[in-house]
Amino acid sequence: GQQLNQSPQSMFIQEGEDVSMNCTSSSIFNTWLWYKQDPGEGPVLLIALYKAGELTSNGRLTAQFGITRKDSFLNISASIPSDVGIYFCAGQPINTGTASKLTFGTGTRLQVTL
Amino acid sequence: GAVVSQHPSWVICKSGTSVKIECRSLDFQATTMFWYRQFPKQSLMLMATSNEGSKATYEQGVEKDKFLINHASLTLSTLTVTSAHPEDSSFYICSARDNAALNTEAFFGQGTRLTVV
Repeated sequence: GQQLNQSPQSMFIQEGEDVSMNCTSSSIFNTWLWYKQDPGEGPVLLIALYKAGELTSNGRLTAQFGITRKDSFLNISASIPSDVGIYFCAGQPINTGTASKLTFGTGTRLQVTL
Repeated sequence: GAVVSQHPSWVICKSGTSVKIECRSLDFQATTMFWYRQFPKQSLMLMATSNEGSKATYEQGVEKDKFLINHASLTLSTLTVTSAHPEDSSFYICSARDNAALNTEAFFGQGTRLTVV
């Protein structure tokens, strides 16, 4: 199935640093979602974006829905060890109605060192 | 957020046997649930869309006779892996959307790790 291009694939950062990751698509999306997945667990929703240009924050996390509707970024400020995990973007394409059929990004594996 | 519960969390079965995985929405009703498969260090791949009271919609390349889906109520969908083989070993995750919610975000279960030996 289709996947979104997410970058970087992985990153090692020091505690306290800011992190930025993004997701791009060749298709237009209605909705962009950002999830975090811990090992052996299901993804947990971090931020949901519903309008082009929308900028939304959740604590130290900030995400934006690109104006072209083909991209989104997620920023994490002042990273802490518990930020470790895999971050996935997900998009709901236009014309899937209320079915909420999501396409997932390839994931960004984040490691935070002390 | 809404709670989706998956059971079991892990299962080990012998090759050739069938395994049933349950996905329940605990505090909301879900007409539609989704089943994903995730291999190690890879992203989630949608297998099928489970529709309450009707047949599931399978993604291209997913065998409907091998991965049987039943969505008999607004709070429960089951995925049965029939005649499981080692290549079916994977992490299976379900998600559901609240019928009553205005937005389209989906909530995920905790996943089921299937190991076929």
